[in-house]
Order: sequence, then structure tokens, then C-alpha cells
Amino acid sequence: DQQVKQNSPSLSVQEGRISILNCDYTNSMFDYFLWYKKYPAEGPTFLISISSIKDKNEDGRFTVFLNKSAKHLSLHIVPSQPGDSAVYFCAASVRNRDDKIIFGKGTRLHILP
Amino acid sequence: DSGVTQTPKHLITATGQRVTLRCSPRSGDLSVYWYQQSLDQGLQFLIQYYNGEERAKGNILERFSAQQFPDLHSELNLSSLELGDSALYFCASSPQGAGGPTDTQYFGPGTRLTVL
Repeated sequence: DQQVKQNSPSLSVQEGRISILNCDYTNSMFDYFLWYKKYPAEGPTFLISISSIKDKNEDGRFTVFLNKSAKHLSLHIVPSQPGDSAVYFCAASVRNRDDKIIFGKGTRLHILP
Repeated sequence: DSGVTQTPKHLITATGQRVTLRCSPRSGDLSVYWYQQSLDQGLQFLIQYYNGEERAKGNILERFSAQQFPDLHSELNLSSLELGDSALYFCASSPQGAGGPTDTQYFGPGTRLTVL
């Protein structure tokens, strides 16, 4: 049972445009959501997170939006840069219970020149 | 560089064998997590240790076991290996991991296990 779903295995976006990566979840107990970025031959690196008490969190070019009623979150990258080409993992957890993080399968983002 | 180290980087072995993967967390981090990433799969949480004690368990097979030592490094033991165990195994660490405030996990570069 995939509790965190990233339905787009890959996405191609022109450099300078906005990249939007989507994620859906099924477990209404999740109260903390994260995005990780992964380059080949490296481990995932934390990018940005959002608590369920918020609906938006921004950090430079990266913004995460959370729609709790739809159990949906999205990561916006604007403007997209060549270095953003990577696999992006959406993840979720139930805080204050344990730190088990449930990851999606990832979306491979290609930034086109 | 996340500060989390994993050895070895690559491991090739045969079915039925047993291997040990090692992880050194970031200095000062008390929690260690193990994840498995198989082909076309996301990161599957296996197990978490906090300051030497098992804290959370995920989809870890009975053939797999882990421990965290007094110096906080951790080992993941995989036995009776099967072809389907071929995967990337990641270790992550975090400062607390005790179920409280936001606690970012920092990942190591992974160990690629190939079972032939």
C-alpha cells in the first residue's frame, strides 16, 4: 500500500520556467511533509519541509504547498536551473510518534537548456 | 557531503550469503535510520536506532537485523541473501530522532548491494 504517491515518474521543464512536482498521500495522520533531492551516486538531501499547520512554506526558489483536504502537496521551483535536474522524493511522517518517514517513489526532473 | 559515511560503497555477493553494511552517523547525531531502495521503488524505511536502542521498525525482513553500537555507528546485517535483496541501502542520521520537534535526516551515499 503506497501511502505517499508521486504519479509522475519524470518531468521535463525548460530552464528558467517553473517546475511543479506533485505528491499525494493517503494517511490522514501524516502531519509533516518533506521533499528530498537526489543526484546520481549520492544520498538524498533534505530540501524543504512543511508542517500540517501550514499551507505554504517558501525557501528561496523552492516553495511547498499543502492542501490537506485533498491530501496533496506540491513543490514549485522557480526559476528552474540546470542544477535542479535530479530525482525528487516526497516524504511524510507522523511527528511526535516516531521519526519513521514514508517516501514516495520519486520524480526525475530534467531541466532543458 | 552530509557527514554520514557508509562502507562499503559496492558489494557483490552470491545468494545464500551474509553481508554487513556499516554506517557512521554525523558527529553528535544519536539516531540512525536504514532504508532500502530497490529498482523503481522509493526509499523503504527498514529500521531506526536511537542512542543504541531500536526505536522504530518498518518493512524489515526477518533475515535482516541491525544494531547501533556505543560509539553510535550502526551495522545492518543481511543474511540468506536472495536475488531480490539487490538494492541500494542508505543510512541516515539525525540529531534526536526521539519523536519531537522537526529533526532533519541526513543521508549517507549508500551501499549498492548486488546479489548474483
